[in-house]
Parts: sequence; structure tokens; C-alpha cells
Amino acid sequence: AQSVTQLGSHVSVSEGALVLLRCNYSSSVPPYLFWYVQYPNQGLQLLLKYTTGATLVKGINGFEAEFKKSETSFHLTKPSAHMSDAAEYFCAVTPGETSGSRLTFGEGTQLTVNP
Amino acid sequence: DAGVTQSPTHLIKTRGQQVTLRCSPKSGHDTVSWYQQALGQGPQFIFQYYEEEERQRGNFPDRFSGHQFPNYSSELNVNALLLGDSALYLCASSLVPAVGTEAFFGQGTRLTVV
Repeated sequence: AQSVTQLGSHVSVSEGALVLLRCNYSSSVPPYLFWYVQYPNQGLQLLLKYTTGATLVKGINGFEAEFKKSETSFHLTKPSAHMSDAAEYFCAVTPGETSGSRLTFGEGTQLTVNP
Repeated sequence: DAGVTQSPTHLIKTRGQQVTLRCSPKSGHDTVSWYQQALGQGPQFIFQYYEEEERQRGNFPDRFSGHQFPNYSSELNVNALLLGDSALYLCASSLVPAVGTEAFFGQGTRLTVV
């Protein structure tokens, strides 16, 4: 079985500050990992994904994440927060090659960006 | 290119009633998955349809059923509605149920059960 834990249901940063959203996963097989963003009253948009290969993954809007197998982590970062980054962020996992894109999501982290 | 479209956007139903939600996948996509997102929670997988058959199912009761049509669009049906079924229902489409394939999400249907 797979699971995702997002540490911190709410994160608040100042505009221009570093954004760090934490995600730890549990998977019995090599996982594929995703970060999605959800703006109010909208669906989910893919920010980035890790499947195989390079462990540092770059996504849209300046976000990146690093897969660390030894720490079972996939934290999301952005060097400088922008007001438009305020949204809810979800980390998700699929159990590698044994699944047909079924996603298991974390509980989400609400990011607030203060001027 | 239209993305994933869902209808209706909002719906209010009474306990015990039945509801049907609809989803049209992104052009070229043939796989549709449904998720339930309760308020303040992450989405939870309900089931996935490919080639008009249910391929995977999450931990949801039989009251939740679905269908996929030859044009790849899909319906989610919920019978005997409970207050706890109130949630945002998200449809996601992808090209074949392959691992790592990006899933594109619709804006969801907000279901309120009173």
C-alpha cells in the first residue's frame, strides 16, 4: 500500500522568501511521485513529477522537488515566493510500474504568501 | 483544445436520492478516473475506466458506480446519497492507464447533500 504525509497543513511565507513544502511517502515498490496545485474553486494542475532518472525535478512556475529515497521524501521548493503562488498543494504517489496511474494524495498544504 | 470538462459545476441533492455526474476527457485521452475530495482533505480515488470497463477501484461502497461510453466520456453515479457524500468530485483523464502518465483534472462538481 502507498501513503503520503504532508507535514504542515498551513505554511505562511513572505513574498520573495523561500517556499518549502514537505512530503514524505510510504511505498512497497519504487514510487512515482507528483506535486499538484489547486487554486480556489478549480481542479488540480500538475506542477512536476518524478518517475525515473534524475532525482531533482524541475516543474512549472519555478518550482522544483528532489526525490530522496533514503529519506522517503519529495519536498517541494521555490527560491522566491510570489503572491500568485498562494494555493493548496498536494503531493501524490503511484506505486511505480504496478499501477495504472491511480494516485494516492496527501492531505494538502495551504500556502499563504504575505506581502 | 478543450481540457477535461465536468457537469454540472454545482449540485444540491437530498439524502436518499441518486445523482449522476458527467465528465468529458481531454481530447485524445482514453482513460478516465474519478476522485472524491471532501472539504479540507486530499482527493481520494474512486475508480478508473478504460475501454469502457472499470479497471481499478478504491475503497468506496457499491453505491458508487460508473460508466464509460465509446467516445471515452464517463459518468459517476451515486445511489442512496448520504450527508457524508458531500464533496468535490474530480474527474481526471489520461492517455492509456500507464504509470507516470500525466493526469489532467477537470474543475470538479461540487455536490451538497442536505
